[in-house]
Amino acid sequence: QQQVKQSPQSLIVQKGGISIINCAYENTAFDYFPWYQQFPGKGPALLIAIRPDVSEKKEGRFTISFNKSAKQFSLHIMDSQPGDSATYFCAASMQTGANNLFFGTGTRLTVIP
Amino acid sequence: SQTIHQWPATLVQPVGSPLSLECTVEGTSNPNLYWYRQAAGRGLQLLFYSVGIGQISSEVPQNLSASRPQDRQFILSSKKLLLSDSGFYLCAWSASYGYTFGSGTRLTVV
Repeated sequence: QQQVKQSPQSLIVQKGGISIINCAYENTAFDYFPWYQQFPGKGPALLIAIRPDVSEKKEGRFTISFNKSAKQFSLHIMDSQPGDSATYFCAASMQTGANNLFFGTGTRLTVIP
Repeated sequence: SQTIHQWPATLVQPVGSPLSLECTVEGTSNPNLYWYRQAAGRGLQLLFYSVGIGQISSEVPQNLSASRPQDRQFILSSKKLLLSDSGFYLCAWSASYGYTFGSGTRLTVV
């Protein structure tokens, strides 16, 4: 079963708008929540990550909001730009085991000028 | 710093031909290594992972196999490719938290 559920599948935002992607998980053993950004024809690259001891982490225009009690986290892209157009994957990881990172199904973001 | 190399970048192979994709990691020792496949416009499907030389775990039974002949080398192979093997193949490594991905190989089976 899908360990991390991600929505929406696709998102179209006007330049300057806010892009919001949501993820949810069930396994309370997860203790690290990264977001990956993937441009067409490239491998995913780590964008920003959060641990459950904080409710928010901000890096530039990118912010992760984390709700531990609801087991949900989201990525907010402020002042979205056409260069942000990419596929975004949320993920959740636990400390034990080698196969320990579980990805959401991805969100294709398109920012229109 | 750690780097991951994956080649070739693109590959067009006929049905029934063999396949060998190679991935190497530099700047780290004893990494966990992973092979993912991504169909067009789809998510990341974990195919194999390895925690050490000769140790391979398969996540999805299929026409592919993986080997780890050296600590920082991970190879994805097939004896006979199928049309359904087409996709974007990604290698990744991890030391603890988070994965670092290679640049991928676009495989088209014709």
